[in-house]
Amino acid sequence: DTAVSQTPKYLVTQMGNDKSIKCEQNLGHDTMYWYKQDSKKFLKIMFSYNNKELIINETVPNRFSPKSPDKAHLNLHINSLELGDSAVYFCASSQGSGRLHQETQYFGPGTRLLVL
Amino acid sequence: GENVEQHPSTLSVQEGDSAVIKCTYSDSASNYFPWYKQELGKRPQLIIDIRSNVGEKKDQRIAVTLNKTAKHFSLHITETQPEDSAVYFCAASSGSNFGNEKLTFGTGTRLTIIP
Repeated sequence: DTAVSQTPKYLVTQMGNDKSIKCEQNLGHDTMYWYKQDSKKFLKIMFSYNNKELIINETVPNRFSPKSPDKAHLNLHINSLELGDSAVYFCASSQGSGRLHQETQYFGPGTRLLVL
Repeated sequence: GENVEQHPSTLSVQEGDSAVIKCTYSDSASNYFPWYKQELGKRPQLIIDIRSNVGEKKDQRIAVTLNKTAKHFSLHITETQPEDSAVYFCAASSGSNFGNEKLTFGTGTRLTIIP
């Protein structure tokens, strides 16, 4: 009955590698997001998709490439990982019903990425 | 873009006392203000939210107030309990089209309840 799920939960990898994080939501929501939470707990949005279409693309290195095969999935691929990419990455979803500024976002459990 | 400031960054209160966390925002077009609680190692979870057509909202021991003129909103927790210990984030929503509801988060307040 998990609403928003992510895999893997933990990811430890070497600098320069390429890795992917997967996110799925079973809430029937139209909008999904990726957030990065750094070591100081600061939460910052990276991307949002609505019905598989990229809507928000914050100033994120192009080594980060989101992909949404359908509206229930939003994956994040990271190329050439750097030390500074170490963080917790949260996926989230919201209904995306078109009601402006009033969308509760539900977060996944997070993926803890450590780049060595 | 939107800028959300949150204070204090840490807060310790005796069990049973009240806790208040304050946030200010910069974008006068923002009109949705949620509060999230994040326990250690867990995901952020919505605890209460307020929309700009309301000045105050209460849910049991938790209340949020909004002053649109001054562009600030606050979280009030009364009769605090040990399980209230967590990091609390305020956020403001700015966007103009569905799917563009970007939440800008404050920097978080680590609340510790002292038994």
